[in-house]
Order: sequence, then C-alpha cells, then structure tokens
Amino acid sequence: ETGVTQSPTHLIKTRGQQVTLRCSSQSGHNTVSWYQQALGQGPQFIFQYYREEENGRGNFPPRFSGLQFPNYSSELNVNALELDDSALYLCASMTSTDTQYFGPGTRLTVL
Amino acid sequence: QQQVKQSPQSLIVQKGGISIINCAYENTAFDYFPWYQQFPGKGPALLIAIRPDVSEKKEGRFTISFNKSAKQFSLHIMDSQPGDSATYFCAASHHGQNFVFGPGTRLSVLP
Repeated sequence: ETGVTQSPTHLIKTRGQQVTLRCSSQSGHNTVSWYQQALGQGPQFIFQYYREEENGRGNFPPRFSGLQFPNYSSELNVNALELDDSALYLCASMTSTDTQYFGPGTRLTVL
Repeated sequence: QQQVKQSPQSLIVQKGGISIINCAYENTAFDYFPWYQQFPGKGPALLIAIRPDVSEKKEGRFTISFNKSAKQFSLHIMDSQPGDSATYFCAASHHGQNFVFGPGTRLSVLP
C-alpha cells in the first residue's frame, strides 16, 4: 500500500456534466500530481500542486482544474465532460527526492 | 521534445530469462528517470530510478542502464518470474515536475 487513497473508485457521468475526484496524499508530502491514463496508454501529466499552489501543468484545457488543501488532500475538477475524458485518473504524492506514490485511481466513464 | 519513446510494446519471456525494455528521450533537461510497474486495476508503483550522473543502478533483480550521450535508458529484469507479468512504464522529469511517461510495455513471463 502506498498510503495514497482516491475516491470514488468508479464513476459514470454523461457528456457536459461536471465531476470532482478526490485524493488523500501521504502525510508530509507537499507535492501532488494528477494524471490521466487512457486504456492501454501511459499516464499523461495533468498538473502538479505544491503547498496548495499549481506549479506545473500539462497539455490539458482549462476545464481541468484542481485544488490542494493543507491536510494533504486534493481535488481534480473537470467541467463540460467530453467522451474522450473517459479514463483512469491517478493522483500521486511526491517526496523531496521525486519519488512518486500513486493511488489506485478513479475510473471515469463518460456516456 | 517532451516525448519518451518505449519499446517493445509487448514482451514474452520464459521464467528465469532476462527481460529488457528500452526507452529514449529528447529533452536533455530531464534529470530523473524512473521505471514503474503497473498491475491491472492498480496505480503504477515505482520500481527503480536513476539520475544522469550514474550509468547503472541495480536493486535486486532490477537494473537500469543509462546512456546519457545516446539519450537512452533501459530496464533489465534478471531471473524473470511469472509474478513480474505486468505493464512497465519508463518516465522522465525535470526537477520533479511535468513527468513524461512512455506508452508502456506489457510483459508476460511464461511459467
């Protein structure tokens, strides 16, 4: 176990809806990153937060947004869902030596 | 510039054999090169990682070979076991940000 938890495990939404995914990082890990992993592909970096500030973003549109809270939890929000948003969403907390600990992911299906 | 290429896409090895997976990158600013193992329904787990100031790192049955001039690195799994059957991802990052993942290699170790 990595000590990183995510909720919910699975989620089904329809096109145009909004979704919030949650992650609880390891205590003491001030950095959290979110990834999108489509079926059969490698994780794609969405963004990273350090001490509640976004400090890196991948090639994702602004309808993907996030928050990090002082209690080592974080959220990924996706507005105006599209069919292509169907994927496994992973969060990872990171140590000061760049070691990432991934959660089990949230499987999002957009119909 | 940000892409990490990975080969082969799939690999079948007999129990006890050596599994070799190769990755190549373009961005010379990358300074951290991890390998992750992912089982179905789970998040990726860090196996081993290397920084560009060393050419090889070994941890148990897992070895990373790093060639800075060729911008290539590889994972060697010695004495491969059926329990090693999983998908393996190489990745690269700069200062712990914007991790870029390869597309993955599906390894099957036959008993």
